[in-house]
Amino acid sequence: GQNIDQPTEMTATEGAIVQINCTYQTSGFNGLFWYQQHAGEAPTFLSYNVLDGLEEKGRFSSFLSRSKGYSYLLLKELQMKDSASYLCAVEDNMLTFGGGTRLMVKP
Amino acid sequence: DTGVSQDPRHKITKRGQNVTFRCDPISEHNRLYWYRQTLGQGPEFLTYFQNEAQLEKSRLLSDRFSAERPKGSFSTLEIQRTEQGDSAMYLCASSSLSGRGKTQYFGPGTRLLVL
Repeated sequence: GQNIDQPTEMTATEGAIVQINCTYQTSGFNGLFWYQQHAGEAPTFLSYNVLDGLEEKGRFSSFLSRSKGYSYLLLKELQMKDSASYLCAVEDNMLTFGGGTRLMVKP
Repeated sequence: DTGVSQDPRHKITKRGQNVTFRCDPISEHNRLYWYRQTLGQGPEFLTYFQNEAQLEKSRLLSDRFSAERPKGSFSTLEIQRTEQGDSAMYLCASSSLSGRGKTQYFGPGTRLLVL
C-alpha cells in the first residue's frame, strides 16, 4: 500500500523559517517531489530528491532520507506569498501525494 | 515556452450527462498523466500515457472513466453518466522519461461541478 503523511496545517511568521515534514511508506520509490499549490491553482514544482541529503534552491531546501522514509521542505525568510499548500509526493512512474500541508504566514 | 494547457477550465453539468476534457502537454514531453483533486486533499492519480500507449489505467475510478491519447500528443478524459461525486478538479501533467526530466508539470486544471 501507499501511505504518505504530512501535517495538515502550520502557521509561521513573516521572515521566519519553517520546516514541513513528510513521512512515507510506499511499495515503490524512484524519487520524492515537493510542490506548492495556491488555492484554486495547479501544483507548481519546487524540488526533487532522488539521493539522500539536502537539495538547496534559493529560499527553499528539501531533504531526503530513504532509509527512514522521511523528507522535509525548509522555507527560509518567509514571505506572505508563501501562504499556500505544500504537497509531498513519491514518484514511482505516477505520483502518490500526501494530503498537503496548508501553511499560513502571518505578519 | 508553452506549458501544459487544459480545456475547458470550468464545466458545469447535470447528473447523468457525459463530459470530455482535453489536455495539451508540453510539446517535447512524451508522458502525460491525469489526476483528480478534491477540496483539501492531494491529487489522486488516475492514469498515464507514454506516447500513445496507456501504461496504467487500473486506478481509473470506475468504468465510467476513460482516457485516450490517439496520436501521442493531446489527451482526452471522458466521464460518462456523471454523478455528483465526480465534482472535483481534474489535473493533467506531463513529463519526459528520465532523471530530473521526470518532473511532472501540471496544467491549470478543469474544475467540474455536477448538479
